[in-house]
Amino acid sequence: DQQVKQNSPSLSVQEGRISILNCDYTNSMFDYFLWYKKYPAEGPTFLISISSIKDKNEDGRFTVFLNKSAKHLSLHIVPSQPGDSAVYFCAASEGGGADGLTFGKGTHLIIQP
Amino acid sequence: KAGVTQTPRYLIKTRGQQVTLSCSPISGHRSVSWYQQTPGQGLQFLFEYFSETQRNKGNFPGRFSGRQFSNSRSEMNVSTLELGDSALYLCASSLAWGNTEAFFGQGTRLTVV
Repeated sequence: DQQVKQNSPSLSVQEGRISILNCDYTNSMFDYFLWYKKYPAEGPTFLISISSIKDKNEDGRFTVFLNKSAKHLSLHIVPSQPGDSAVYFCAASEGGGADGLTFGKGTHLIIQP
Repeated sequence: KAGVTQTPRYLIKTRGQQVTLSCSPISGHRSVSWYQQTPGQGLQFLFEYFSETQRNKGNFPGRFSGRQFSNSRSEMNVSTLELGDSALYLCASSLAWGNTEAFFGQGTRLTVV
């Protein structure tokens, strides 16, 4: 039973446009969400996080939106750059870190020139 | 500030052997988590250590174990290796146990033959 789902295995976006990566979760106990970016042969790199008490968090070109009623979050990257091409993982945790981070299977973002 | 360091980067072992992987967290970080990444299952949580105590454990058999030392460095051990244990093992460090960003190392690529 996958508690964090990233339904798009890959996404292709033109350079300069907005990239929107989506993530759905089923566990209503999750209260902290993170996005990670991963290049081949490297560990995931933390991008941005959001607590369940917020519905939006912004950091430079990256914005994460959380819709608790829909159990859905999304990562917006504006404008998309070639260096953004990577696999993006959505992760979630419960209060107190009860079970570590639960990851989605990732979305491969490809930025086309 | 140095990042999370995992050693070795690559390892080849034979079925039935055991292996020990090492992780040095970011200086000042006291929480260390371990994850297994495989193409089929994605990133899966193994366990988390804080103040030398295992706080959380994922759904893995008892062949997977770990420990944390007083300097926060951590090791994980896999005994009686199986072919299916071939994976990228990632270590992540956080300032504290709970809802804080986790920073990942580059991982140890374990191949069981």
